[in-house]
Amino acid sequence: KNEVEQSPQNLTAQEGEFITINCSYSVGISALHWLQQHPGGGIVSLFMLSSGKKKHGRLIATINIQEKHSSLHITASHPRDSAVYICAVSPYSGGGADGLTFGKGTHLIIQP
Amino acid sequence: EPEVTQTPSHQVTQMGQEVILRCVPISNHLYFYWYRQILGQKVEFLVSFYNNEISEKSEIFDDQFSVERPDGSNFTLKIRSTKLEDSAMYFCASSAADLLSYEQYFGPGTRLTVT
Repeated sequence: KNEVEQSPQNLTAQEGEFITINCSYSVGISALHWLQQHPGGGIVSLFMLSSGKKKHGRLIATINIQEKHSSLHITASHPRDSAVYICAVSPYSGGGADGLTFGKGTHLIIQP
Repeated sequence: EPEVTQTPSHQVTQMGQEVILRCVPISNHLYFYWYRQILGQKVEFLVSFYNNEISEKSEIFDDQFSVERPDGSNFTLKIRSTKLEDSAMYFCASSAADLLSYEQYFGPGTRLTVT
């Protein structure tokens, strides 16, 4: 069973700061997902990656398969980035029907 | 943009009652999932569904739970006899049958409160 750990659990920063959230997992995976959960509860997929790096706007996600580690970066953070950021992994079976294993999430607050 | 929808947004039920949570996945997706999140805890996988049958289920998904795709659009989760500990947010998700991408798209969730 994969163990997914995120750090930090809570992060408060000032607007404009560069944010880094880390995720590590214990067993090889087929893909890693970064998700965003807003106070209302809805979950939005930000990235799915299996190698290297992806960028979307101010968000950057990287993964190191050998080290079983991924990071999510937010550049020029803004109060609207305040949310819970969740790391989740797909098991290494290659099938589309695999359920995700989730980390506990990082609660990010960006103060104006 | 296509999205996963769920109804109702909030369901309150008494212990022992049956509830059905409904989901409409994205129309060209073939894989469907249910997850739950107990308040303050992490999201947990319940079950996945493909080609009209369960593909994978977790230990949480016991005989009290069932899933069904009654028609070409709906995907339902039934809890036969609810317990207090079933109170949680339930998320439906779907993904395309694309070998390059199993990205999952989540619905807004149904908050189930068992009293």
